Amino acid sequence: NAGVTQTPKFRILKIGQSMTLQCTQDMNHNYMYWYRQDPGMGLKLIYYSVGAGITDKGEVPNGYNVSRSTTEDFPLRLELAAPSQTSVYFCASSYLRDNEQFFGPGTRLTVL
Amino acid sequence: KQEVTQIPAALSVPEGENLVLNCSFTDSAIYNLQWFRQDPGKGLTSLLLIQSSQREQTSGRLNASLDKSSGRSTLYIAASQPGDSATYLCAVSSGAGSYQLTFGKGTKLSVIP
Repeated sequence: NAGVTQTPKFRILKIGQSMTLQCTQDMNHNYMYWYRQDPGMGLKLIYYSVGAGITDKGEVPNGYNVSRSTTEDFPLRLELAAPSQTSVYFCASSYLRDNEQFFGPGTRLTVL
Repeated sequence: KQEVTQIPAALSVPEGENLVLNCSFTDSAIYNLQWFRQDPGKGLTSLLLIQSSQREQTSGRLNASLDKSSGRSTLYIAASQPGDSATYLCAVSSGAGSYQLTFGKGTKLSVIP
């Protein structure tokens, strides 16, 4: 099992550009999550999904969108990149809500 | 709103020493508490998960305890090694209707050979 994979590893965007961060898991987990980690801060939940076709907002959803068309994939979309979205983004998954969460290696995004 | 605090923010110990990392949370209505390890520039690796009904979990040289009523958890690392150097994060899964893990800011551990 590859676990949770994320692409790209690094990306630089200009203000106003858009991009999609990809996340795939091969553990047949129902729950998937997107977090962002800012320097010196704890991770914050952006969006989560409890299964294919079902998504909901986390603590910091503004400026982002998600979709979950399959169990395996949970892409995160940035429509109009802003400098405040400069961060490291982590995707995670778990089988059930209260099970251990497994994290991907992260995507480091810089918006200039 | 749940808040998670980890003290100290950084810790440096000589190799072989036993050590304790602390985590406290403000709302005791949690489902579980998870300890993670994060290496520089890497993702998070889950170390231990303690359900709210449990008092402790052990894995190898690691032992995590949970005192829900006082809002505290500790991660005990026995016989520390240089390879244990990393940032350790504590996260709690809060109560009904919440799918969010609330993270602390972490303790950066350095084990000196």
